[in-house]
Order: sequence, then C-alpha cells, then structure tokens
Amino acid sequence: AQTVTQSQPEMSVQEAETVTLSCTYDTSENNYYLFWYKQPPSRQMILVIRQEAYKQQNATENRFSVNFQKAAKSFSLKISDSQLGDTAMYFCAFMRTNYGGATNKLIFGTGTLLAVQP
Amino acid sequence: DARVTQTPRDKVTEMGQEVTMRCQPILGHNTVFWYRQTMMQGLELLAYFRNRAPLDDSGMPKDRFSAEMPDATLATLKIQPSEPRDSAVYFCASGKQGAETQYFGPGTRLLVL
Repeated sequence: AQTVTQSQPEMSVQEAETVTLSCTYDTSENNYYLFWYKQPPSRQMILVIRQEAYKQQNATENRFSVNFQKAAKSFSLKISDSQLGDTAMYFCAFMRTNYGGATNKLIFGTGTLLAVQP
Repeated sequence: DARVTQTPRDKVTEMGQEVTMRCQPILGHNTVFWYRQTMMQGLELLAYFRNRAPLDDSGMPKDRFSAEMPDATLATLKIQPSEPRDSAVYFCASGKQGAETQYFGPGTRLLVL
C-alpha cells in the first residue's frame, strides 16, 4: 500500500520570501504521479503542480517548483516570492498510473498549513 | 470554464435522516471520484467510477452509504441513515481518459446533529 507523509503540520513565511514544504512517500510502484494541491479557506481543492515519476526534470509552474528525488521518495514544494494569497493548506498526493492513461485514486498526505505573513 | 459542480454546498440534518449529495463531472470526463475530508482522517477515497461502472468502493461503509452514476452527467452519494460521525466535507472529482489530473468540485459540507 502507498503512503504519503507530510511532517510539517504548520509553517509560516514572510511575504516575498521563499518557503519549502516537505513530502515523502512510500510505494513499490514504478509508474506514478505526484501532485501538490492547495486548499484555501474557501475549501476548494486547487492543483498547484504535478510530476511524472519517469521524468527526471523537476516540474515548475511560475513561482512553484518541486524537488523530486525518486530514489529517496521525496517530493518537496518550493514557493518563491510568497504572496498573501498563498495562505492555504497544502496537500501532497500520490497516484499510481496504469497502461492506457486512466486516472486512479489519489492518496493524500495530512497537509501543511502555510501562513504567509505581511 | 469547465468545472465540477456539487450540490448542496452545505447541509445540516438530524441523525437518522437521509442525505443525498450530487455531482456533475466535467463534460467528457469518464472517471468520477468521491472523497471525504475530516479533521481526524484527512482526505480519503470513498468510491470511484469509470465509464459509470463502480471500480472501488472499499472506503465506503456499505451499510449506510451508496454511490451511483445514473448517467454520465450525474453522480450521487447517499447516506441513509445519517450519523453524527458522517459530518465531513464530501468532494467529488473527475478526470478523463489519457489525462492524469483530477479536478475537484467545491465540496458539500455535511453536519449531522
């Protein structure tokens, strides 16, 4: 069975600074995706970034980037130039893939509550 | 702007009552997921469907929960009878063949008194 661990229940960062959220996972699968979702107080789950396990290059989306270490089973999220609107709960999630490209269930970590301070 | 819709947004009910939550997946998406979010358990999968067929409902208490897809544009999650421990936010998400991303609805916040 797959598990996802987020060891930082809460974090705080000053506006315009950089922060890194940690995530580790455990799996015996070789083909999978990893995701970071953001959940602001509105409770909407918003995709931040995704990473295919077979790709060595780390994914980047504007101010968001990941450090994917497959051998270490680590998938951290770096937020650069933090903004007040980044204040939210951040969830790391794992999804195994299968041939045919169908979506499968997400396995979530427990989340990290990030507060961006003005 | 295509999005997953869920109704109702909030629901307060009394223990023992039936609760029905509805989800409209994004048009063209063939996979629908139901997740539950609680403080104690976090986000967990209840059930999911592909091409309207149930694939996995192992996370769902079978005695009181049921999930169906009457057609490709509607998924339902029912709780009968509801209990206070069912209080949670219930999310529906959808995805399509050949794409790995799931898109979430706004969730239904359920409070069972």
